[in-house]
Amino acid sequence: GEDVEQSLFLSVREGDSSVINCTYTDSSSTYLYWYKQEPGAGLQLLTYIFSNMDMKQDQRLTVLLNKKDKHLSLRIADTQTGDSAIYFCAEIGATLQGAQKLVFGQGTRLTINP
Amino acid sequence: DSGVTQTPKHLITATGQRVTLRCSPRSGDLSVYWYQQSLDQGLQFLIQYYNGEERAKGNILERFSAQQFPDLHSELNLSSLELGDSALYFCASSAVGTGLDGYTFGSGTRLTVV
Repeated sequence: GEDVEQSLFLSVREGDSSVINCTYTDSSSTYLYWYKQEPGAGLQLLTYIFSNMDMKQDQRLTVLLNKKDKHLSLRIADTQTGDSAIYFCAEIGATLQGAQKLVFGQGTRLTINP
Repeated sequence: DSGVTQTPKHLITATGQRVTLRCSPRSGDLSVYWYQQSLDQGLQFLIQYYNGEERAKGNILERFSAQQFPDLHSELNLSSLELGDSALYFCASSAVGTGLDGYTFGSGTRLTVV
């Protein structure tokens, strides 16, 4: 079945770049997603990348996709205290009924040091 | 405000009891997904409804059930509650049933079973 793996913790200094990594197993995933969860809140869709793309940039966010290695990364430039959150990588997976669902990694808790 | 409304935000109940969690999807979205987030299991897909019909089932216990009503709001019923059912329960919605447009999440219901 599908499996999405992420490291659990990342700590960076304010102003530095943060790079959050993710590996996934389903090579047929058409879309891959990054979600952000702030304390006490739900998951917010940050960005996504289509599987035929290598890179997508959106302001301070850069997503890199290596399909051969099934590796996805999210780079946050000039990390700010407001970026402190848990970041989830997700891929499209199939249910037993053949429907599609999002399969999430365990989430990476990003901590910003002043 | 994501547009997905979940009530209540917090719920404390005793073991053996039954509770109902409610979700109103974003306007125009036909599909509703329920996820359980616990510390040790991460985000687990429970069940999906599309336009009133069950579309897919995930790791949902037999003690749990859900439904989607004609006005598209959904309810998740949890019965014979156990301590291990304590978790955050998220509802998400999407316009189509495939999830390819990404999901919009509510802010969750925190269930504590004592």
